[in-house]
Amino acid sequence: EAEVAQSPRYKITEKSQAVAFWCDPISGHATLYWYRQILGQGPELLVQFQDESVVDDSQLPKDRFSAERLKGVDSTLKIQPAELGDSAMYLCASSAGPGTTFFGQGTRLTVV
Amino acid sequence: EDQVTQSPEALRLQEGESSSLNCSYTVSGLRGLFWYRQDPGKGPEFLFTLYSAGEEKEKERLKATLTKKESFLHITAPKPEDSATYLCAVPPSGNTPLVFGKGTRLSVIA
Repeated sequence: EAEVAQSPRYKITEKSQAVAFWCDPISGHATLYWYRQILGQGPELLVQFQDESVVDDSQLPKDRFSAERLKGVDSTLKIQPAELGDSAMYLCASSAGPGTTFFGQGTRLTVV
Repeated sequence: EDQVTQSPEALRLQEGESSSLNCSYTVSGLRGLFWYRQDPGKGPEFLFTLYSAGEEKEKERLKATLTKKESFLHITAPKPEDSATYLCAVPPSGNTPLVFGKGTRLSVIA
């Protein structure tokens, strides 16, 4: 069964260090999303890609976060420098159209 | 302004005790209401999409229903393995990303 792949599953990093997460969407899905989920809350959108183009990054803290999807397939989300408040689950999702948004298993980030 | 509100925040049931979770939404021109299940430390798992008032979908012990302002996820004779957080979400407009509620944390006790 096709699935969204994310790595790493867990990451512990020190404050002020750089960290990166990787996502490989379901094959053929043109739309890719990065969400952040704080414990006890629902996922919140960080950035949306359509193929290699950013469609919505209005909620992405651009002073420290960056995202890219260079070839319109896999994507990387980077945080530099990491802050304590960035500790959360980072979820990648992909979609082939309305009604077809599927999530990966997420990366649990802990900033110490 | 919250577009998706879920209640209750947490629900504890005995095994076999049926109940319902609620998801109310405020978007106009609904373009689908999504239900997901999320286990601790994992990503959300897709359950259902509902598109029009009166629509119902079922999967094992779960049945989702939709009205013009809210959706219910009915759980019939739940088992401990149904314990999870249940999330609902809507796209505010067009092909926009899903906006999620805070979820209902369900615990089913044997």
